[in-house]
Amino acid sequence: NAGVTQTPKFQVLKTGQSMTLQCAQDMNHNSMYWYRQDPGMGLRLIYYSASEGTTDKGEVPNGYNVSRLNKREFSLRLESAAPSQTSVYFCASSEAGGFTNEKLFFGSGTQLSVL
Amino acid sequence: SQKIEQNSEALNIQEGKTATLTCNYTNYSPAYLQWYRQDPGRGPVFLLLIRENEKEKRKERLKVTFDTTLKQSLFHITASQPADSATYLCALGTALIFGKGTTLSVSS
Repeated sequence: NAGVTQTPKFQVLKTGQSMTLQCAQDMNHNSMYWYRQDPGMGLRLIYYSASEGTTDKGEVPNGYNVSRLNKREFSLRLESAAPSQTSVYFCASSEAGGFTNEKLFFGSGTQLSVL
Repeated sequence: SQKIEQNSEALNIQEGKTATLTCNYTNYSPAYLQWYRQDPGRGPVFLLLIRENEKEKRKERLKVTFDTTLKQSLFHITASQPADSATYLCALGTALIFGKGTTLSVSS
């Protein structure tokens, strides 16, 4: 059972380039999330999707877009990458739809550097 | 705005001792609080969830308390082992808000 799979694991971009981070879960979970983790800042929520077809902004959505392609997949897109978006990105999922007292399952992360 | 703080960035203890990590929060009344473990280069892994009506919760060598009056949660690891060395994160409610984490190092 793979759980939450993120691709790629590492990526280097130049300022202004675009890219999409992919996330897929095989646990039939309803909710999916994107976080970024920076030294000294902790995990911060970028976007989340409480169910297929819905997405909502989290704490730090600026510069990002998301797509809940289907129940399994939730992608994060950087349209014009900036050095401030250098970070480690984590995708997570939880069983319930919406925010309930459910634990999150995280992927192994994507380390992104924007030069 | 909601704020969550973990008492220290790093905690060093000797094997066999009890590690106690603190999570304080303000401007929020979460119905529950979660604790996660994160190893270097890996995503966080869920450990425990405690609800506001639960004073204490245990899982093997782990114990979590939740004091809604003090707005504080304590996370204890008894009989600590070097394998417990990791960063521990607390999260408010539905894990929308995470603390920065405390890195625990257990020396043998």
